[in-house]
Amino acid sequence: DTEVTQTPKHLVMGMTNKKSLKCEQHMGHRAMYWYKQKAKKPPELMFVYSYEKLSINESVPSRFSPECPNSSLLNLHLHALQPEDSALYLCASSPSPDSGTKAFFGQGTRLTVV
Amino acid sequence: AQSVAQPEDQVNVAEGNPLTVKCTYSVSGNPYLFWYVQYPNRGLQFLLKYITGDNLVKGSYGFEAEFNKSQTSFHLKKPSALVSDSALYFCAVRDSLTGGGNKLTFGTGTQLKVEL
Repeated sequence: DTEVTQTPKHLVMGMTNKKSLKCEQHMGHRAMYWYKQKAKKPPELMFVYSYEKLSINESVPSRFSPECPNSSLLNLHLHALQPEDSALYLCASSPSPDSGTKAFFGQGTRLTVV
Repeated sequence: AQSVAQPEDQVNVAEGNPLTVKCTYSVSGNPYLFWYVQYPNRGLQFLLKYITGDNLVKGSYGFEAEFNKSQTSFHLKKPSALVSDSALYFCAVRDSLTGGGNKLTFGTGTQLKVEL
């Protein structure tokens, strides 16, 4: 299994809603990442988890809350989002935090905030 | 911080012709360079990487890239383009993080359009 699976594929939420994005990998990778990508722009790193611990928060607003319940799962909890948060949210994993190997990306969740 | 630059927003090429998508890098130390491709509304797919070794790196789907240290470039190439190669291409560099771990820093992307 060489996939990173993200659910849901599409999500529409109101500004007062609470929702969660989910990411799963079964490759034994110990580093997992959340990226945000606006249309026609490069992905921008949001969070890095190394060995299930949050190691990097790239100054992301607190309305985004990551969680890593175990080595295979990564969640992104969303609350009180703004329309400008609408984007493609990509999850990725790599074998280790210090690895020079490639990162595997999921297909993304297309989030629309109304 | 490490960075990569993609000078072309869009590249147009006829099917069957060779294609080149340009990337230059700015790093301290040895560069770890990657190319990814993204189809509409999809995640990123890995094409190839350069860590050390041969300057010509072969990757997926017939793509290759040439690492040129003197020109600080890592251009993506394919001898014969296909219409199905039309997509958004990102060059990326691995950047170490002070808190541990590493991240990919991406270029701005180049839209490749292959026409019949």
